Order: sequence, then C-alpha cells, then structure tokens
Amino acid sequence: DQQVKQNSPSLSVQEGRISILNCDYTNSMFDYFLWYKKYPAEGPTFLISISSIKDKNEDGRFTVFLNKSAKHLSLHIVPSQPGDSAVYFCAASEQGAQKLVFGQGTRLTINP
Amino acid sequence: ETGVTQTPRHLVMGMTNKKSLKCEQHLGHNAMYWYKQSAKKPLELMFVYSLEERVENNSVPSRFSPECPNSSHLFLHLHTLQPEDSALYLCASSQRTGVTYEQYFGPGTRLTVT
Repeated sequence: DQQVKQNSPSLSVQEGRISILNCDYTNSMFDYFLWYKKYPAEGPTFLISISSIKDKNEDGRFTVFLNKSAKHLSLHIVPSQPGDSAVYFCAASEQGAQKLVFGQGTRLTINP
Repeated sequence: ETGVTQTPRHLVMGMTNKKSLKCEQHLGHNAMYWYKQSAKKPLELMFVYSLEERVENNSVPSRFSPECPNSSHLFLHLHTLQPEDSALYLCASSQRTGVTYEQYFGPGTRLTVT
C-alpha cells in the first residue's frame, strides 16, 4: 500500500512558464512533507519542506502548498529553467519517526 | 570531502560473491540510512541507524547485513544476492533534532547482480 503517490510519471514545461508537481498521501499521521530533486547519477537533494501547521512555504522560485483536507501537496516552480530538469520526489514523515516515505517521482523536463 | 560519500559508485557481482558498500558522512549527523531504488519504484527504506544503534529494519532479507561502527560510517554487506537485488543503493544521513526531518543523500552505488 503506497502511502505517498505521485501520479504523473513525467511532466514537460516550457522554459519561463510555471511547473506544478503534485503529490497525494493517505496517512493522516504525516505532519512534515519534503520535496527532493534528483539528477542522473546523483543522490536526491533536499529542495523545500513544509510542516502540517502551514499551508504554504516559499523559497525563491519554489513554493510548496499543502491541502490537509485533501491530503494533497504541490510544488510550484516559477519561472522554470532548463536546470530544473530532473526527477522530483515527494516525501512525508510522521512526528518522531526516523523515516521518510517517498513517492515514486515525477520526471520534469524544461524545454527551451 | 563534504556531504555524504559512497563507494564504490558501480558494482557488478555474481550471486555467490560477497561485497560491501561503504557510506561516510561529513556533516556531523547522528542518524544514517540505507535506501534501495529500483526502476520505476519509490525509494524503499532498508535500515535506519540512530546514534549507531539500528532502530529500523524494514523486512530486508538477511542477505543484506548493515554495520554502523560509528556515527560517520555505514556499511552494507552483501552476500548471495539475487538478480532482483540489482538497483541503486542510496545512503543518507540526518540530524535527529525532533523538529526537522531533512535527510542528505550520497550519490548512490549502482549494483548489478549477474
């Protein structure tokens, strides 16, 4: 049973436009959510996170939105740049737990 | 060296071989993790070590044997693996503060079992 789901395996966006990556979760005990970015031949790198007490967190071009009632979060990248082309993983954690539960990832391609 | 390093980066082994993967973190963290990433599947947590004590073993077959001699080093000993064990093995570390959950990953070891 997959507790964190990224239903879009891939997304293609034109450079300069907004990229929106989506993630759904089923475990209502999750209280912290993270996005990671992964380039080929590298490990995932932490991008941005959000606590369940917030509904939005912004860091430069990256904004994460959390809708607890829908158990849904999204990552917005604006404007999208070619260097943003990567696989993006959504992850979630329960308070006090020492593990992250990951989605299967979405491959984002930014076209010039 | 900075961050989290893993060696080797690539490994090809037969089903009767014994090999070890090594991970080292230079971030002063107190927790370390092994993950497995197979094609088109989410990252699967294998083991968690906190303060050098194993606190999680996610139903991993005994042919995978972790070792954490100190807070900076983590090993994954492999023996009699199966072809389905071919995957990217990722090591991560974090600082257990009770507030933040960010884990920092190494580049991974691409393992192929023949």
